[in-house]
Amino acid sequence: GQQVMQIPQYQHVQEGEDFTTYCNSSTTLSNIQWYKQRPGGHPVFLIQLVKSGEVKKQKRLTFQFGEAKKNSSLHITATQTTDVGTYFCAGSGTYKYIFGTGTRLKVLA
Amino acid sequence: NAGVTQTPKFQVLKTGQSMTLQCAQDMNHNSMYWYRQDPGMGLRLIYYSASEGTTDKGEVPNGYNVSRLNKREFSLRLESAAPSQTSVYFCASSALGGQGNYGYTFGSGTRLTVV
Repeated sequence: GQQVMQIPQYQHVQEGEDFTTYCNSSTTLSNIQWYKQRPGGHPVFLIQLVKSGEVKKQKRLTFQFGEAKKNSSLHITATQTTDVGTYFCAGSGTYKYIFGTGTRLKVLA
Repeated sequence: NAGVTQTPKFQVLKTGQSMTLQCAQDMNHNSMYWYRQDPGMGLRLIYYSASEGTTDKGEVPNGYNVSRLNKREFSLRLESAAPSQTSVYFCASSALGGQGNYGYTFGSGTRLTVV
């Protein structure tokens, strides 16, 4: 079946450093979504990417969808302590999404 | 506007006991989902309901059953709980199978421990 993998599993950064998480699907996706889950919380939808090569920005967050629509990345510039949490990508299926394993980000002040 | 409401928030069961996790959404969404979250495993889909009257298996359906009671409510039942079902369970809903610029809306989760 469809699989979605993320790397790294964990990342510790100093506040102000950049952070990137990568997402890879075993199948071509029609679209991909990103979610953030704060510690002890539930996943919250961030963004959806649909087009091959698409790049979207939300303040310090930059999302990319690969040309082959099988991979994606999330880059955070100059991390802040409020960025702490786990970031999930989710690849589209029929009426459902398959979530990646997540990248847990810790930001050291 | 409550969004997606899950009950209970916490539960401890003994092996072999049964229980039902309740989920209700007030956003008029067509699709609803049950996921479980385990450390290092991400979110794994248990069952989903694309629309009222339909349910389908996800990645890890064994040991669970679901009921789409109406458009608002989607329950998850553990008939005979096992320690391997210790997890955090999330219910989610979406308007268009998750498509579009809103994605899934998740409930706050149920933390289940089976001893």
